This record gives sequence, C-alpha cells and structure tokens, in this order.
Amino acid sequence: DAKTTQPTSMDCAEGRAANLPCNHSTISGNEYVYWYRQIHSQGPQYIIHGLKNNETNEMASLIITEDRKSSTLILPHATLRDTAVYYCIVRDSGYSTLTFGKGTMLLVSP
Amino acid sequence: DVKVTQSSRYLVKRTGEKVFLECVQDMDHENMFWYRQDPGLGLRLIYFSYDVKMKEKGDIPEGYSVSREKKERFSLILESASTNQTSMYLCASSDRYEQYFGPGTRLTVT
Repeated sequence: DAKTTQPTSMDCAEGRAANLPCNHSTISGNEYVYWYRQIHSQGPQYIIHGLKNNETNEMASLIITEDRKSSTLILPHATLRDTAVYYCIVRDSGYSTLTFGKGTMLLVSP
Repeated sequence: DVKVTQSSRYLVKRTGEKVFLECVQDMDHENMFWYRQDPGLGLRLIYFSYDVKMKEKGDIPEGYSVSREKKERFSLILESASTNQTSMYLCASSDRYEQYFGPGTRLTVT
C-alpha cells in the first residue's frame, strides 16, 4: 500500500519556485518525511527530511502541515538541472529501509 | 563526501551465467542496500544488510543472493541470470538518516 500520494508530473519555469506536494495522511507519530530526487540515469539523491518542524538546507525547504498529513518540498529558484523525478517517502527513524513510490516528474523549462 | 561506487555502469550477460555486482562505500556505514529499478515499477528493495555477514530479504529477493564479508563491500549475486533480471541495479549505504546511492549498473541478460 502506498504511504504517500504525489502528482505524476509538474512543470516549472526556470528561476521560479517549484512547489511539490505530497499527501501522507496515514503517517504515524514516529515517522519522518523524506525527499529524494533522481536525475535521469543517475542514482537517487537525498534532498531533505523532517519530522514536525519546517526544515531548510542548501537545496530546498520542507514545509510540513501541523497535522502532518501533507508536506511541500520547495525549490526556491528552479534551474534546468533540477529536472528530475522527486520522491516523497515516509519512514520511521533509524535504519529502516526506504520504499519508493512513483514520484513526481518535475520538468523545469527555460 | 560519501562515495558509493559500483563495479560496472553497464553489463551484458547471457542467460544462465553467474553474475556478481559489487558495491563499495567509503564512509564506514553499517547499513547497505541493493535495489532494482524498472520502468513503471519504481525502485524495489532486493536485499539489505545491517552488519558484516548479516543479510535481510527485501521485497523481491527471489533469484538473488548477497554477500557482506567486509563492512565496506556488499555484493549482489545472480546465481543463474535470466532475462527478467534485466534491469538497473542500485546500491546504497546509509547512516542514521540518509541513504547514499551509487550510480547504478544497467544489466542486460540476453
């Protein structure tokens, strides 16, 4: 059973913010929200993760709703190199495995 | 930077051959994983290992085995390759929060 729901694809203009939504309505209290991306022909790349609070790093920001049932990954100034499949994953802490869904194909165009 | 390397980027083998896919990580991680990725099916976990000489089956272990004799090296073995094992194989290692992926091996079984 899928733990997360994401749109199949999204478009974004270069230089604009890309906001990628994810629904995880069955998330439990000890589960984190993770985001990975996969650029064509490469292995997946970790972006960011969070539990309750919003998080920001050099790549992106993660906004988690107060009820934790959904989140949004924000790429503040998308570039062509951000074109990739973005995966939202829910997992508990520690060393549990990742379960990848279908993800969102983000196309950044000039 | 964490580095996960895989022995080959592209590999072509014949049906019935024994195939070894090697993965090496340089960050002293205890946890290592093997996935395969197929169009429309996403990433699926084959096997993982939490320690040397320790292994656990993932979602699709049939037709595969693994070996972890040293901490830094995790090998995936196809005892008798079949055409339905043609796929992209991805290795990963992880610390507490992040999984770091290798570049992948595209295996074709003819």
